[in-house]
Amino acid sequence: DTAVSQTPKYLVTQMGNDKSIKCEQNLGHDTMYWYKQDSKKFLKIMFSYNNKELIINETVPNRFSPKSPDKAHLNLHINSLELGDSAVYFCASSLGTGGFFATEAFFGQGTRLTVV
Amino acid sequence: AQSVTQLDSQVPVFEEAPVELRCNYSSSVSVYLFWYVQYPNQGLQLLLKYLSGSTLVKGINGFEAEFNKSQTSFHLRKPSVHISDTAEYFCAVSARDQKLVFGQGTRLTINP
Repeated sequence: DTAVSQTPKYLVTQMGNDKSIKCEQNLGHDTMYWYKQDSKKFLKIMFSYNNKELIINETVPNRFSPKSPDKAHLNLHINSLELGDSAVYFCASSLGTGGFFATEAFFGQGTRLTVV
Repeated sequence: AQSVTQLDSQVPVFEEAPVELRCNYSSSVSVYLFWYVQYPNQGLQLLLKYLSGSTLVKGINGFEAEFNKSQTSFHLRKPSVHISDTAEYFCAVSARDQKLVFGQGTRLTINP
């Protein structure tokens, strides 16, 4: 049983398209996150949701919109894709009420997005 | 806000040799510290964490790290590495109700 699962694992799309990445966790965690890993492996948080409520919203273009239908799911929708959006996107979850309050974060396998 | 610096972007070592991956952090409040490992084409996996108590923390796969508050460091060590330890290693820091901030990563390459 995969704790944090993302789909798809690979996504190749043309500039200007709209795409979604789905994330589900079966750990019963309250908080979920999206991280972006660039080509230099740098990881940066994008969003954090706690019980379907947005907690952290870093400086991310409005083209990125997270949606959390319930606390086990956090999807990422990206409009008007640009070349610079190419990266690996990681979903993660943890216990806690907002930030990583002294708990381990569990990561998904990542979605490699390539915009051509 | 917290920040973390991994002092080496790449560390090559021979198999069965010891290794140390260096991590320094900056914070005005008490911190929690983590080391994650990312194997090729995989997600991140927690190696170990420091929350409080003993400054020497043992993790999975024979890794350990020592929290040094005076030097604001949390270096990762393993006495004898294996080929399978080849991966990217990330140091991360957080504080109460604060987001997790990652370092730039250190690529550990094990040569036979």
